[in-house]
Amino acid sequence: EAQVTQNPRYLITVTGKKLTVTCSQNMNHEYMSWYRQDPGLGLRQIYYSMNVEVTDKGDVPEGYKVSRKEKRNFPLILESPSPNQTSLYFCASSSLQGRREKLFFGSGTQLSVL
Amino acid sequence: QKEVEQNSGPLSVPEGAIASLNCTYSDRGSQSFFWYRQYSGKSPELIMFIYSNGDKEDGRFTAQLNKASQYVSLLIRDSQPSDSATYLCAVGGHSGNTGKLIFGQGTTLQVKP
Repeated sequence: EAQVTQNPRYLITVTGKKLTVTCSQNMNHEYMSWYRQDPGLGLRQIYYSMNVEVTDKGDVPEGYKVSRKEKRNFPLILESPSPNQTSLYFCASSSLQGRREKLFFGSGTQLSVL
Repeated sequence: QKEVEQNSGPLSVPEGAIASLNCTYSDRGSQSFFWYRQYSGKSPELIMFIYSNGDKEDGRFTAQLNKASQYVSLLIRDSQPSDSATYLCAVGGHSGNTGKLIFGQGTTLQVKP
């Protein structure tokens, strides 16, 4: 089954404790992206990657890191989480062949930073 | 001005009625337009996409695009309670970050039995 897999589904942590949210897709998609979703602000892009070892900032990259060492994986790293990073996070992927931007989303990670 | 704007609602319609959801966008260079459905606590699910002016129909759903007016809409015919969700309009076709979608805040639809 074609899917984007995110883990964990829920995460509660404390300020300053490094964490990683994993994302993996099995569709051989070139493009992967992280979004955060906040009430009243909608979905905002954090980082994106157009292929292995190619990453770039989205609209709200501060406080986040990403890496793309393999085509299927795109982890999101919070080196020193703060309460304002409490949010619902989605990983998404799409193919850059033909018509683009048909994003397929993971199931989401609800992060609470205390 | 927000790049993609939607009325947050809620939009309430009776079962069997037509639900009309609207979206405007600011970037005239946008090329691709999407509607995602998101149930509470779930991830967005792609339900319609449209690239050319006019209408595109898929079952009970019709997407309408008017590039001159920078307007895209989604019509849901014979609305069912299971259609109750938040509908996200998304716009793509941005140079450089070619996979990026810019999302509106979403319109919450309530279909009442």
